[in-house]
Order: sequence, then C-alpha cells, then structure tokens
Amino acid sequence: GAGVSQSPSNKVTEKGKDVELRCDPISGHTALYWYRQSLGQGLEFLIYFQGNSAPDKSGLPSDRFSAERTGGSVSTLTIQRTQQEDSAVYLCASSLAAVTDTQYFGPGTRLTVL
Amino acid sequence: AQSVTQLGSHVSVSEGALVLLRCNYSSSVPPYLFWYVQYPNQGLQLLLKYTSAATLVKGINGFEAEFKKSETSFHLTKPSAHMSDAAEYFCAVSDPAGNNRLAFGKGNQVVVIP
Repeated sequence: GAGVSQSPSNKVTEKGKDVELRCDPISGHTALYWYRQSLGQGLEFLIYFQGNSAPDKSGLPSDRFSAERTGGSVSTLTIQRTQQEDSAVYLCASSLAAVTDTQYFGPGTRLTVL
Repeated sequence: AQSVTQLGSHVSVSEGALVLLRCNYSSSVPPYLFWYVQYPNQGLQLLLKYTSAATLVKGINGFEAEFKKSETSFHLTKPSAHMSDAAEYFCAVSDPAGNNRLAFGKGNQVVVIP
C-alpha cells in the first residue's frame, strides 16, 4: 500500500515569505507527527495530531509555525515570514494509535530559505 | 524527559566486518526504543524496535539490537557489513506520556570501506 507522502519534495523561498508543506499519512493512521531535521539541531519533534484531539504543539519553535489537519487525514505545516534558520528537511510520520506502534516516515520536504 | 546519546557521528567499517553502533538512553519510564536508517535523500525507515518484549530484537537487513536496562543501552549490531549498509542510523526513544513522540540521537553516518 501507499506510504506517507509529502509535497513539495523541495522548496526554495525568499526570507520573509510564507510556505506551506503538505503531508498525506497512511490511510487509517490516526496519529500524525511533524519533525524537523537540520544540521545543527538533528531531528526535532514539532507537532502531533491524534484523531480529533487538540494537537500537541509543544515542539513548535516559534509562533511563526502552525499546522492543521483536516478531516483527520491530510496535514499542512505553515511557516510564516520564513527565516534562514528555518532551512531544514521537514519530515512527516504517521502511525496507528497505540503507544508501541511504529511511526512511518515520509521522504520529507527540503526547505531552503535564501 | 527522554533523551538518546549516540557517540561518533561518522563510523567507518570494512566490508565484511562487524557493525556496532552505540546508543544510550535516558528515560524516566520504561522506554520504547527504535533504530531507524536513512538513505540519501530518503525518509527514515524502521530497522527494529524494542517494546518491552524480548530484550534481543532482530530487525531487517541482518541487524539486531539488545536492550540492557542495567546499562541503559540499546546498541545496534550486524555481524558482517555490506556496501549497501552505508547510510545514516538514528537511535530513538519514545515518550509514552508525551504522545509517543520520538526523541532522536544525533545519528551515525556509516561508511563501508571495500
């Protein structure tokens, strides 16, 4: 079956612009995570969605970052007024609900802020 | 909060030799532990996971890891390295009280020497 997909695969933007990154989780997976992978910070948790519950936003680095998940499926991560330090690979993962369930990762979106 | 330590960002191993990647964790609760592999320009792929069953866990591609509570370790091994094992490897611990989000180590870039 289809895995986690993300779009675009690459995004180059100018400082100060807004960007939207999209994640399509595996069908039937109720949990969805966003992580950021950067040279300086490694892999960091950003935000978590589970079903219709309020998202866990505790990993978002600033209020320029936001995310939503529509209909319990597709998720969009939005970065407003991008800064050069936002340059990173943004990874999305999904899993079934149980604590021990494996998180399956998408290929990521490489964001470059000029 | 959970955390993971991986020492040695770059690891060189000869083809056919033992692969050993070390992972030590810190967790206030019984941990769930994971090893992921990342090939160039791809997302993370699960190698294996420990979820409080057998302490010796076998994964894909001939890898295995042993959970040692007394040493707070979860080292990854493969008896004989293959050229296709060249990739980056991440150890991670999940936080069951924190929505199961993963905390990753800094990763080991494995180079296989012919």
